[in-house]
Amino acid sequence: GAVVSQHPSRVICKSGTSVKIECRSLDFQATTMFWYRQFPKQSLMLMATSNEGSKATYEQGVEKDKFLINHASLTLSTLTVTSAHPEDSSFYICSASPVLGQGGYTFGSGTRLTVV
Amino acid sequence: AQTVTQSQPEMSVQEAETVTLSCTYDTSESDYYLFWYKQPPSRQMILVIRQEAYKQQNATENRFSVNFQKAAKSFSLKISDSQLGDAAMYFCAYRFEETSGSRLTFGEGTQLTVNP
Repeated sequence: GAVVSQHPSRVICKSGTSVKIECRSLDFQATTMFWYRQFPKQSLMLMATSNEGSKATYEQGVEKDKFLINHASLTLSTLTVTSAHPEDSSFYICSASPVLGQGGYTFGSGTRLTVV
Repeated sequence: AQTVTQSQPEMSVQEAETVTLSCTYDTSESDYYLFWYKQPPSRQMILVIRQEAYKQQNATENRFSVNFQKAAKSFSLKISDSQLGDAAMYFCAYRFEETSGSRLTFGEGTQLTVNP
């Protein structure tokens, strides 16, 4: 089945530094990938839609300059948290959908970001 | 805008018993897709079951089945013969069209506890 690989699974960084999270579709091409943020015991909040070869579409309230998204190929999207602050600490999940009729989205395993 | 509502933040069930999780949604579309996702403590999102709105027959996957009431915009999940491994957060989700760029809208989630 469709597999989405997300790395790293955990990362700790210092305030003011940047962190890059990768999301790869391993056995299918994904022209669109989605990035979510999830707080403990809450639902997934869509941050942005990543489009291959074009600019990402950000949800209202999400800072474009803080959460940089690059979707340079059909199998890779990256989310870079720039100038990270403790309030950026969260669980980030990516997802992508294979071709039509394959049954919903496939999710990466998520990245737990801790900013100290 | 489409919305998904899960009115049960928490549910519990005895092992081997049956439990039903509720979900309602709001949409003006006639063709769409509904999903139940499971998120265990590992936080990996796992697709449990999906339903195409144009299909009248309720979807089933082994011990998991849905009660899809299109007119009432209701999409409940029934778990039969509950097992300890079913303990997880369950999210109901809606998707308008089955293209790679179509986003998922999630409900707030229901935390299911399975008691031995």
